Amino acid sequence: NAGVTQTPKFQVLKTGQSMTLQCAQDMNHEYMSWYRQDPGMGLRLIHYSVGAGITDQGEVPNGYNVSRSTTEDFPLRLLSAAPSQTSVYFCASSPGQRAGELFFGEGSRLTVL
Amino acid sequence: ILNVEQSPQSLHVQEGDSTNFTCSFPSSNFYALHWYRWETAKSPEALFVMTLNGDEKKKGRISATLNTKEGYSYLYIKGSQPEDSATYLCAPRYGSSNTGKLIFGQGTTLQVKP
Repeated sequence: NAGVTQTPKFQVLKTGQSMTLQCAQDMNHEYMSWYRQDPGMGLRLIHYSVGAGITDQGEVPNGYNVSRSTTEDFPLRLLSAAPSQTSVYFCASSPGQRAGELFFGEGSRLTVL
Repeated sequence: ILNVEQSPQSLHVQEGDSTNFTCSFPSSNFYALHWYRWETAKSPEALFVMTLNGDEKKKGRISATLNTKEGYSYLYIKGSQPEDSATYLCAPRYGSSNTGKLIFGQGTTLQVKP
């Protein structure tokens, strides 16, 4: 009963390093998204995808890349990490139909030094 | 930029008190309103998804209403219990049913004292 799986759960990077946060779901959901959570800022949408091969920007896309080559996976790439990207990242998915609720992963805590 | 506002930002109540929160959002191109409950050290979990003007949902002691024309939703908790302590997030969904993105408000943090 996996649901939405995020890896890694914790990561420490140095400024300028690159990394990929992985997100996989086993519910055949069409919609997937990445949010970041910062104190006092709530959840802010980074990128989202409505299906394989389709991605779009959210509220705070700068510094992040995504791709959606399969229905199951939606990785988030940081090409050159900056301290401002220190945050907790959540991946979430939902069915493609009109009112599908989001199912969240457990979150990935990233610290950029 | 879509501005989703929740009030109050935080709330402290005694066990047994009833309480309500507000979510206001731009209603243009909107088609669904989500409410989530987020407990500390866990991930958000869906409470309600509402789509119709005048829609009302209920789950136990928690209920929600929606006004799509004026762009607001209320969440009510009747007889608050300590286990209700959490952050409650609203998220309107914009676009179409298959392309819409969810934008979250900052949340209302509820603390229920025994």
